[in-house]
Amino acid sequence: AQSVTQLDSHVSVSEGTPVLLRCNYSSSYSPSLFWYVQHPNKGLQLLLKYTSAATLVKGINGFEAEFKKSETSFHLTKPSAHMSDAAEYFCVVSDRLTGGGNKLTFGTGTQLKVEL
Amino acid sequence: DTEVTQTPKHLVMGMTNKKSLKCEQHMGHRAMYWYKQKAKKPPELMFVYSYEKLSINESVPSRFSPECPNSSLLNLHLHALQPEDSALYLCASSQVPQKNTEAFFGQGTRLTVV
Repeated sequence: AQSVTQLDSHVSVSEGTPVLLRCNYSSSYSPSLFWYVQHPNKGLQLLLKYTSAATLVKGINGFEAEFKKSETSFHLTKPSAHMSDAAEYFCVVSDRLTGGGNKLTFGTGTQLKVEL
Repeated sequence: DTEVTQTPKHLVMGMTNKKSLKCEQHMGHRAMYWYKQKAKKPPELMFVYSYEKLSINESVPSRFSPECPNSSLLNLHLHALQPEDSALYLCASSQVPQKNTEAFFGQGTRLTVV
């Protein structure tokens, strides 16, 4: 089974400084990887997805992630943090189900705090 | 329209009550999902429907009963729940059966069992 590991449960940055949220995956074949964000008491919003077309993936709100097969990593970055980025971030791997649909397996999440 | 709508947003129910959670999407997605999320934890898959048929039940207790009456609607019927069932219940949908397809999530129903 595929899995993802988020290496930091909490990350704190100052507004205007870079953000790095780390994720490593485990998969025996080319994985389908995603980053989702969840603001307090809200649902999940897709930030970006890895489709194997390009290793550097650009997402919404200035976020991007780089797929590195040699390091089995899919870290999320943003050049300059904004107060509105404070949220929980999930790295997710997807498995296709034989009956149709996909099973998303979530990492344990990283709480991003942005300070003035 | 890339929206998944869940109702109600909040629900408080007693352990002897029967209630239902509702989910609706109009994106033409033929896979729909229920996830359960406890506080400070990631979402966990409960059920998957593909083309209105139940394809995955992740060993969920029978006090949770899903239903997919048509391709746009997904219900979760609740009966005789326990306080430990209190959680955020998230509905999601996606296209079938493409690889790399993302799931779209609703805002969730915050369920409290008293």
